[in-house]
Amino acid sequence: AQSVTQLDSQVPVFEEAPVELRCNYSSSVSVYLFWYVQYPNQGLQLLLKYLSGSTLVESINGFEAEFNKSQTSFHLRKPSVHISDTAEYFCAVSLTANQGGKLIFGQGTELSVKP
Amino acid sequence: EAGVTQSPTHLIKTRGQQATLRCSPISGHTSVYWYQQALGLGLQFLLWYDEGEERNRGNFPPRFSGRQFPNYSSELNVNALELEDSALYLCASSLGRGAEWTEAFFGQGTRLTVV
Repeated sequence: AQSVTQLDSQVPVFEEAPVELRCNYSSSVSVYLFWYVQYPNQGLQLLLKYLSGSTLVESINGFEAEFNKSQTSFHLRKPSVHISDTAEYFCAVSLTANQGGKLIFGQGTELSVKP
Repeated sequence: EAGVTQSPTHLIKTRGQQATLRCSPISGHTSVYWYQQALGLGLQFLLWYDEGEERNRGNFPPRFSGRQFPNYSSELNVNALELEDSALYLCASSLGRGAEWTEAFFGQGTRLTVV
């Protein structure tokens, strides 16, 4: 069975500071990896994804994540955060063999950016 | 292009009643997924429909059921409501399975409150 662990439930950080949200997964088979963001009272928005190719993936708003197969990790980083980045972030995996199908989510990390 | 739309936005029901939640996928998407986001329990996979058929089901009792219509829209039915069914129910859609699949797009959710 697959599982996703987000190591920090809450991450407080000051504006313009760097941040890392940690995600580890457990799977005996190949997976796709995702980061979703959820703003208060809204649905999920895809932030970035790893399907294949370069292990470093980037989003349009400055976030990046690196797939590390040996450490089964997909940590999310941003060199300088803004107040508007305050939200809950979810790491998720999907089995490549399914080529679609359900996502298995971590418990979420609440990022709180303070002025 | 319209995103995934869910209705109603909010729903208040009494314990023991039935709730029906609706989802319209992005045009051209054939797969619909349902997730439950309950306080303290994270995002749990409920159901996956593709091309009108149920492809996978999460670990939920049979009183959670659904269907997918020929136009690929979907309904989630929850019978004999219990207080712990109170949650945000998220619908997502994707291009189905196979090489076309790259990600799932989420709606804004239906907030179900059971009193």
